[in-house]
Amino acid sequence: DAGVTQSPTHLIKTRGQQVTLRCSPKSGHDTVSWYQQALGQGPQFIFQYYEEEERQRGNFPDRFSGHQFPNYSSELNVNALLLGDSALYLCASSQQGLTEAFFGQGTRLTVV
Amino acid sequence: AQSVAQPEDQVNVAEGNPLTVKCTYSVSGNPYLFWYVQYPNRGLQFLLKYITGDNLVKGSYGFEAEFNKSQTSFHLKKPSALVSDSALYFCAVRGGSYNTDKLIFGTGTRLQVFP
Repeated sequence: DAGVTQSPTHLIKTRGQQVTLRCSPKSGHDTVSWYQQALGQGPQFIFQYYEEEERQRGNFPDRFSGHQFPNYSSELNVNALLLGDSALYLCASSQQGLTEAFFGQGTRLTVV
Repeated sequence: AQSVAQPEDQVNVAEGNPLTVKCTYSVSGNPYLFWYVQYPNRGLQFLLKYITGDNLVKGSYGFEAEFNKSQTSFHLKKPSALVSDSALYFCAVRGGSYNTDKLIFGTGTRLQVFP
């Protein structure tokens, strides 16, 4: 059983560009959450998708947007990239009735 | 607002000795608490959780955690540390009343186990 998978593992982008990160949840999970982990910090919640809709959102600007597909996979889009967006982006999946979330290995985004 | 604090940036312990990584929390209502571990260039791995019941929770890789409501603490423990336990440890609290609600993380504690 594959766990949570994310792609790509590493990415380098230029300021002002746009980026799309992808996540496939653990089999049987229907909820996907995205977190940003800056260097030396704990993960910060960006948003959560359930039934193809954004259900919760953290304190991130509208440049951060997402999508969930019918197969429960998800994308995180970031527009107009800033140097400060450089971080490890983590995807977590969970399901109703489960209390813990399972994380992917993350996508390391570097903005230059 | 829900929050967690990890007061130690780093904990050093000799292999074979017991280890403790500290976590305190602030929540309204019943706390749902978690410990995750992160190895270099990797995502987070779930170690254990406290939802309700016994105050001593057992988890993966020989780790356990003690929930103390009066002290609002949830310290991670292991009776005998291994060099391979060296990693970054995060305490987290669930941020709402749904079981899939967002996790609020502490700043992390780096555990270094010396041979």
